[in-house]
Amino acid sequence: DAEITQSPRHKITETGRQVTLACHQTWNHNNMFWYRQDLGHGLRLIHYSYGVQDTNKGEVSDGYSVSRSNTEDLPLTLESAASSQTSVYFCASSDGAAGDTEAFFGQGTRLTVV
Amino acid sequence: KNQVEQSPQSLIILEGKNCTLQCNYTVSPFSNLRWYKQDTGRGPVSLTIMTFSENTKSNGRYTATLDADTKQSSLHITASQLSDSASYICVVSDYSGGYQKVTFGTGTKLQVIP
Repeated sequence: DAEITQSPRHKITETGRQVTLACHQTWNHNNMFWYRQDLGHGLRLIHYSYGVQDTNKGEVSDGYSVSRSNTEDLPLTLESAASSQTSVYFCASSDGAAGDTEAFFGQGTRLTVV
Repeated sequence: KNQVEQSPQSLIILEGKNCTLQCNYTVSPFSNLRWYKQDTGRGPVSLTIMTFSENTKSNGRYTATLDADTKQSSLHITASQLSDSASYICVVSDYSGGYQKVTFGTGTKLQVIP
């Protein structure tokens, strides 16, 4: 069965370190998204990609970067981790434009920056 | 700024009872509205999607309604089960500047108790 997987599921890192969260999907979807989920906020879009070599900033992109070298993977990098980036991160993929078709979400990565 | 507000924030009901969750939005121009279910420690999973012309959509014991005039939606759960315990997220999409933007509500946390 097709799926979308995130790794690691939990990560603790120190302030200032570079961290990369992995996202891998076997749906063969062109569109992939990274969100963060914090208490009191809805999921907020960090970065998204509509295909290989395409990346776009979302509403909370500062301090994050992504790259899309193939269809299956969209790794999220925190350049220099900050305590404000402690959050649960969700990767998603979809066949069509954001909102137009169902997005399939990974199980999330809980990141703690100490 | 587009907003999606959900009420109540949390809800506890007895197994077998019905409940209704509310979603009010200010997103414009409206494209579609989706309800997601998010189990603890998991990513959201889509339950229903409605476009402007649809008033109601069912998925098993879940029935969503949409009033595009008042910009309100509700999710009704019939004969609740313990497995319905989850957060329910309302997500509204709009077309702005030629591309779709998705706004997530903060969710209603439902607990079904025996």
